[in-house]
Amino acid sequence: AQSVTQLDSQVPVFEEAPVELRCNYSSSVSVYLFWYVQYPNQGLQLLLKYLSGSTLVKGINGFEAEFNKSQTSFHLRKPSVHISDTAEYFCAVIVRYNFNKFYFGSGTKLNVKP
Amino acid sequence: EAGVTQFPSHSVIEKGQTVTLRCDPISGHDNLYWYRRVMGKEIKFLLHFVKESKQDESGMPNNRFLAERTGGTYSTLKVQPAELEDSGVYFCAISKGAGGYDYGYTFGSGTRLTVV
Repeated sequence: AQSVTQLDSQVPVFEEAPVELRCNYSSSVSVYLFWYVQYPNQGLQLLLKYLSGSTLVKGINGFEAEFNKSQTSFHLRKPSVHISDTAEYFCAVIVRYNFNKFYFGSGTKLNVKP
Repeated sequence: EAGVTQFPSHSVIEKGQTVTLRCDPISGHDNLYWYRRVMGKEIKFLLHFVKESKQDESGMPNNRFLAERTGGTYSTLKVQPAELEDSGVYFCAISKGAGGYDYGYTFGSGTRLTVV
């Protein structure tokens, strides 16, 4: 069975500070990894994904994530956040034998303060 | 033009009533998915359509839930009769490819269902 754990339900941070949103997954088979963001009253939007290759993945809006296979982690980072980054962030995996079903974490609310 | 339109955006119904959620995807997407998020928990898969056929409905909670996709276009998710534990946000998503791993999903903004 697959599971995704987002260790922090809420992360408060000041504007221009760095941020890391943590994600760990559990799977007995290989997975693809994703981060999605949901802004208020909008649908989920893809931030970035790891399919293969370089373990450091860059996404939109200055976000990046690093896949660590030994630690089964895929933490999301941004060196300097903006007020507009306030949103809820979801980590998700797809297993490679069934790529029609995402397994999501419970989400992390990022609250950027001025 | 939004890729996926869901309505209503909010619905409040009494326990035992029936509710139908609708998802209108932009054309050209054979794959359509329903997901649900209950009370701040993880977003969970409900089912997957390829055109009008149900490819995988392993996530449907029970037989009170019925999903259809007419002519491979819009989709509906009916809950009958609704129970308190059905409250949550229901998301519809589409993908061009067979699975969201390559192109990613396009999500709707969801329907917030509250059963009282």
